[in-house]
Amino acid sequence: SQKIEQNSEALNIQEGKTATLTCNYTNYSPAYLQWYRQDPGRGPVFLLLIRENEKEKRKERLKVTFDTTLKQSLFHITASQPADSATYLCALRTNNAGNMLTFGGGTRLMVKP
Amino acid sequence: EADIYQTPRYLVIGTGKKITLECSQTMGHDKMYWYQQDPGMELHLIHYSYGVNSTEKGDLSSESTVSRIRTEHFPLTLESARPSHTSQYLCASSGDISYEQYFGPGTRLTVT
Repeated sequence: SQKIEQNSEALNIQEGKTATLTCNYTNYSPAYLQWYRQDPGRGPVFLLLIRENEKEKRKERLKVTFDTTLKQSLFHITASQPADSATYLCALRTNNAGNMLTFGGGTRLMVKP
Repeated sequence: EADIYQTPRYLVIGTGKKITLECSQTMGHDKMYWYQQDPGMELHLIHYSYGVNSTEKGDLSSESTVSRIRTEHFPLTLESARPSHTSQYLCASSGDISYEQYFGPGTRLTVT
């Protein structure tokens, strides 16, 4: 069966360090992968999209890598800040016509001052 | 800030009541979605729409129904609410050119 796995345990890091979150998937061949941020009680907010032919994508302090051989994406936040504390979700497109996404369970990031 | 709205934000209702959760977007997106999310758990797609008069069921079976009479409006209805329907319901939309989904703030439903 198709599966998207993110580390369900919270990631605690010190302010200023780089946070690295992992998304692994099985039985998918996604054309692209997306990362979202979700704060408690709110809807997810889109952060980055990376296509299958792209190895790396950057946006300000964010960096995403996509290894279709390993079936893995890594999401990095450099110079992390307490305001980066949130749950981060990866999502894969599972239907071409409808842009439908299947989401992973998310990893909660806590950045301590 | 995405232009997608959901009302009510919070709803506490008794078993057996009929409820409608509203979702509207002003971006002119054809594709709209409803997700269900329990606290600390992943989002599950329950309904989606490709455009006006198009509705499909998602991966997670749901007793709710949806309608899409206007592009901007995608309401979700529960004919008879039960405690098992207690959850957060998130509405989203996406355009034809970009692939990201824009989410509303969600409705937290509690059925007593």
